[in-house]
Amino acid sequence: QKEVEQDPGPLSVPEGAIVSLNCTYSNSAFQYFMWYRQYSRKGPELLMYTYSSGNKEDGRFTAQVDKSSKYISLFIRDSQPSDSATYLCAMGPNSGGSNYKLTFGKGTLLTVNP
Amino acid sequence: EADIYQTPRYLVIGTGKKITLECSQTMGHDKMYWYQQDPGMELHLIHYSYGVNSTEKGDLSSESTVSRIRTEHFPLTLESARPSHTSQYLCASNRQGIHEQYFGPGTRLTVT
Repeated sequence: QKEVEQDPGPLSVPEGAIVSLNCTYSNSAFQYFMWYRQYSRKGPELLMYTYSSGNKEDGRFTAQVDKSSKYISLFIRDSQPSDSATYLCAMGPNSGGSNYKLTFGKGTLLTVNP
Repeated sequence: EADIYQTPRYLVIGTGKKITLECSQTMGHDKMYWYQQDPGMELHLIHYSYGVNSTEKGDLSSESTVSRIRTEHFPLTLESARPSHTSQYLCASNRQGIHEQYFGPGTRLTVT
């Protein structure tokens, strides 16, 4: 079993839809969580990060973490064609030492149709 | 926006050639990373560095080598390129105490 599972999609939605992207994980040591957006032929761009269970909102984006279920989500409200990209979840342990390595999901390809 | 640069952006090279992929950051980050990314696959960590003169191999076995002589510079070298090295190579960095990593634009390498 992979440490991080992410449905690769592809996911196609109409403009204005609410998008839900999800990852599950098996390693209970993971304590911090990130979402990256990657446009075609570009590097990943950090969208959101959080260290605690619950919701964190930034504009049209909401990151949700449920540590008890080992499940994280990214919601995109009022989706726009410019949101069309691959979305990667990433997470890592808060070991307190120098181990800051991240484990990534495979990414979900999202297309928002005008 | 993160100030991390990679050159070249695209490279097509023949088998057996030696290549160096450049990565530089101007943020003073002490930690730097190299990832390999293939279509539809996770990013795999191939090398990382927690500071000058510190380099470690990552989780994915790689025939490449890295050096960290200056804080801002973390080049990756392939002594003899093979078609199996065809991939996208991503460089990232962050500060001590910070978990989120900032990525460069990537180098897409094709070995013929």
